[in-house]
Amino acid sequence: QITLKESGPTLVKPTQTLTLTCTFSGFSLSTSEVGVGWIRQPPGKALEWLALIYWDDDKRYSPSLKSRLTITKDTSKNQVVLTMTNMDPVDTATYYCAHHLTTMPFDSWGQGTLVTVSS
Amino acid sequence: QAMLTQPASLSASPGASASLTCTLRSGINVGAYSIYWYQQKPGSPPQYLLRYKSDSDKQQGSGVPSRFSGSKDASANAGILLISGLQSEDEADYYCMIWHISAWVFGGGTKLTVL
Repeated sequence: QITLKESGPTLVKPTQTLTLTCTFSGFSLSTSEVGVGWIRQPPGKALEWLALIYWDDDKRYSPSLKSRLTITKDTSKNQVVLTMTNMDPVDTATYYCAHHLTTMPFDSWGQGTLVTVSS
Repeated sequence: QAMLTQPASLSASPGASASLTCTLRSGINVGAYSIYWYQQKPGSPPQYLLRYKSDSDKQQGSGVPSRFSGSKDASANAGILLISGLQSEDEADYYCMIWHISAWVFGGGTKLTVL
């Protein structure tokens, strides 16, 4: 059974850097074709894809946010970390991490973590 | 112009069928893409439903009922999620998604009301 859980601060100040950790079980990020992605959802709004890291450390970013995002993995700890710099109130959202296969992207999701950006 | 456009809302009656559309921006040919569909209920993360590229290239998500199916309308340049035999539990937000130039893109979502 695949499970994922997001963790990190619930409140950050404008201009600060957000660091979120996705801790997962039930799969390995060293297995071919496996990836972990991050998706966010502002309150009452649509989903927005942020970043994706593959088993071979290949990385993909949303073009509109690429300059602010970094995704890394620690295979030994079964964790994926997302950092987002220069946070703004418009970045207030629930942030999800999700298991990814090329043939079935985002087939399992964490419960999400709400991050509020406010001074 | 958004890359993927979905109607904001749709209402249908129990037992009826609902067609949810996902229109691709002009210049992006729906025939070249797999369209992915997700269902999200209030307070819960999205759930993967299915992938549809063609009748010979499609995939149902694990445990997803067969009354959820995909298709395309090439004339409208749109992907379609068809839900037949609507049930009250189908009331949810539905999102489409494509892989475009090495990036995932979501549509704006459709809120389906079953009443």
